[in-house]
Amino acid sequence: DVKVTQSSRYLVKRTGEKVFLECVQDMDHENMFWYRQDPGLGLRLIYFSYDVKMKEKGDIPEGYSVSREKKERFSLILESASTNQTSMYLCASCGTDNTGELFFGEGSRLTVL
Amino acid sequence: AQSVTQLDSHVSVSEGTPVLLRCNYSSSYSPSLFWYVQHPNKGLQLLLKYTSAATLVKGINGFEAEFKKSETSFHLTKPSAHMSDAAEYFCVVSGGYSTLTFGKGTMLLVSP
Repeated sequence: DVKVTQSSRYLVKRTGEKVFLECVQDMDHENMFWYRQDPGLGLRLIYFSYDVKMKEKGDIPEGYSVSREKKERFSLILESASTNQTSMYLCASCGTDNTGELFFGEGSRLTVL
Repeated sequence: AQSVTQLDSHVSVSEGTPVLLRCNYSSSYSPSLFWYVQHPNKGLQLLLKYTSAATLVKGINGFEAEFKKSETSFHLTKPSAHMSDAAEYFCVVSGGYSTLTFGKGTMLLVSP
């Protein structure tokens, strides 16, 4: 069974803290994505990566960075968390068939106090 | 450029009655279209996809959707709702994996 695993389901952090969200996929997918999900706004793309050490900005990259040192792992980093980054973060992956079918993790719900 | 509009933020049905979730899209080329479902505190799961083959697409759990180019619509239907269908549904248009556009979601509420 294919799997995208987000190690932290729920996190509570304080303003100014550095936050790491980890995502691992076991499908040997080239492409990985980080989305942010907020009520009434749907999913918005933060960053994506199409290969190891490669990254591309999505629609809302400000305040975030990413790291892809290994094919299976894609990390989202909040250098200095702020309250407006309180949200659900979803990781996804897909292969190179380019149909747009994504496989999602279960999400990491981050609260910044 | 592409966009997707889910016409209802919430839809309420009774168990056993039909479900209709509406989605309109715009795209400057022939798009791929998807419906995803998200159950509470879970990630998104693919329900069905249209990729320029048959215009009537069947998905999991009895859902289907019809691609209508003249109406730029891709509405999701199910003949008979089940309590387990209560979830949030997202319509997605794709011009390739890096150009996915998600709708804002429709919450389906199913009452006994």
